[in-house]
Amino acid sequence: EVQLEQSGAEVKKPGESLKISCKASGYSFTTHWIGWVRQVPGKGLEWLGFIYPADSDTRYRPSFQGQVTMSVDKSITTAYLRWNSLKASDTAIYYCARVSGSWFSLPFDHWGQGTLVTVSS
Amino acid sequence: EIVMTQSPATLSVSPGEAATLSCRASQSVGSNLAWYQQTPGQAPRLLIYGASTRATGTPARFTGSGSETEFTLSISSLQSEDFAVYFCQHYNYLPPFTFGPGTKVDIK
Repeated sequence: EVQLEQSGAEVKKPGESLKISCKASGYSFTTHWIGWVRQVPGKGLEWLGFIYPADSDTRYRPSFQGQVTMSVDKSITTAYLRWNSLKASDTAIYYCARVSGSWFSLPFDHWGQGTLVTVSS
Repeated sequence: EIVMTQSPATLSVSPGEAATLSCRASQSVGSNLAWYQQTPGQAPRLLIYGASTRATGTPARFTGSGSETEFTLSISSLQSEDFAVYFCQHYNYLPPFTFGPGTKVDIK
């Protein structure tokens, strides 16, 4: 069974750094792109970008380039999303999601449960 | 960047009735269009991909249609578990693969 297990909710102050995780299991981690999607509670879904675990090829939405960093650790089949300096506007639920095949131009067929990130002074 | 729009923003439907949701792309995405369902407190779930192919576990009462820039999700007879928010997303070759703003289907 494909599962994406995300790390728990975080409360941070503006300017702090943060790294959240997405542990994948039940499939070959290196053959599917992993994407990240942001959702402000009660609002819509924003596509942030994705990463190919086999070689860490990464594609960011231009508006998020330089704002977040995606990475993976193949040895523990885990994807990460990192911020160096959080802003209040980063407050949202962040989902990781698996692309349904080895080519990135495909839909997300499995999703993590989401990680709520709250940034407040 | 391709802009996805959805209409209506909210659709009020009685259980057992049919519902039709629309999604429009600012430029052609071929059939590279997915629909997701999100219930409160849950992650989105893939319903339809390739504009019209039901994902594993999607009931037959859900039908996707359309191509290029105009897409429709039809629900033939709404069940209690279908009251949710529905998002469309394109995944046409080059990212970003943007989502529409969503249509909330609520109980009339």
